[in-house]
Amino acid sequence: SQQGEEDPQALSIQEGENATMNCSYKTSINNLQWYRQNSGRGLVHLILIRSNEREKHSGRLRVTLDTSKKSSSLLITASRAADTASYFCATGSIQGAQKLVFGQGTRLTINP
Amino acid sequence: NAGVMQNPRHLVRRRGQEARLRCSPMKGHSHVYWYRQLPEEGLKFMVYLQKENIIDESGMPKERFSAEFPKEGPSILRIQQVVRGDSAAYFCASSAEGIGNQPQHFGDGTRLSIL
Repeated sequence: SQQGEEDPQALSIQEGENATMNCSYKTSINNLQWYRQNSGRGLVHLILIRSNEREKHSGRLRVTLDTSKKSSSLLITASRAADTASYFCATGSIQGAQKLVFGQGTRLTINP
Repeated sequence: NAGVMQNPRHLVRRRGQEARLRCSPMKGHSHVYWYRQLPEEGLKFMVYLQKENIIDESGMPKERFSAEFPKEGPSILRIQQVVRGDSAAYFCASSAEGIGNQPQHFGDGTRLSIL
């Protein structure tokens, strides 16, 4: 079964607001990654957080990881229209970290 | 363009035909992964290859699907005797090392349509 479950499935906010997406998973992980996918395109890697890390920042992105709750969140601050995309979390398990297991994704729409 | 290159971008086949999808990894990358994405869903792992070796094919259907990554040339995902259910976007990714704590770099995919 799919490892990651994302919440919400769709999110629509005004430009300038912050967007928060959540991801839950089921088994022990080696790392968790977030990717962005624009319509009709491939996935773009955003950030990777290891299982022994709790928080990571990259520009306007902030990712948290709570291994006790098997959950992660992605925060995009000061959203822009160009942030409109689908966002996926993906986990690499301890047994096979190269084999990423993706969630269903959150479709984010930023309204100008 | 030093990114992952997939071709064709779109492929139309009739039921029963063969589909061949090609992937050239990023320069310097020797690890290739194939994923399948159905509309409105996340990607599902199919197979992980290193040059000339299949490392993990746990996501590959048992029949009709095969993958290779020869010493020279691109990785090929081959689907024989295609059926309507094979319609999907197929993505290839690559990484420099096969260890887990590295991002995978994705191509723009091949959208396969079965008539």
